[in-house]
Amino acid sequence: QQKVQQSPESLIVPEGGMASLNCTSSDRNVDYFWWYRQHSGKSPKMLMSIFSNGEKEEGRFTVHLNKASLHTSLHIRDSQPSDSALYLCAASMIASSSFSKLVFGQGTSLSVVP
Amino acid sequence: NAGVIQTPRHKVTGKGQEATLWCEPISGHSAVFWYRQTIVQGLEFLTYFRNQAPIDDSGMPKERFSAQMPNQSHSTLKIQSTQPQDSAVYLCASSLAPGQVGNQAPLFGEGTRLSVL
Repeated sequence: QQKVQQSPESLIVPEGGMASLNCTSSDRNVDYFWWYRQHSGKSPKMLMSIFSNGEKEEGRFTVHLNKASLHTSLHIRDSQPSDSALYLCAASMIASSSFSKLVFGQGTSLSVVP
Repeated sequence: NAGVIQTPRHKVTGKGQEATLWCEPISGHSAVFWYRQTIVQGLEFLTYFRNQAPIDDSGMPKERFSAQMPNQSHSTLKIQSTQPQDSAVYLCASSLAPGQVGNQAPLFGEGTRLSVL
């Protein structure tokens, strides 16, 4: 059964600091990785997706992907208290011109302290 | 665009009662997913429709859970004889198909919090 492992389980960073979150899939068939952010009491909101080897940057957020190791990482620079949330990584495949189900990791709980 | 709409937002049932949860996907989205989220288990996949057809229900508890998508504008998740362990937030998401123009990320509704007493 496909598993998505995230680390660390929780992370505390100072305001203005860099947060680095990791995610690995055990299924070699995955094509896409997704990063979602979920604030307390809210539903997950998609932050970034990546399917090619390398790096993708959007504002303060950077995602890396190594397809050989099925490892992705999310880096948040200049972290703000509003970034405090649960960060969920998900993996999916493309089959029959559609996405498969997303399999989610357990998440990393990020706290940004002033 | 109102996003994915889920109703009700909160539902309280007694043990053994039936619960029906509703989801209206974003117009034009071809895929609809159902997940449930608990503190212990995290975000668990339940079932998935594409163009209204059931594609993967590998996450559905077989005996008491069922899902339907009778038309492109809504899907339902029905839980018969609810048990306390069914208490969770049930989330519906919809997405475009790969290749369709636009944001292809599965987008979640705000969820239905089910409490079984």
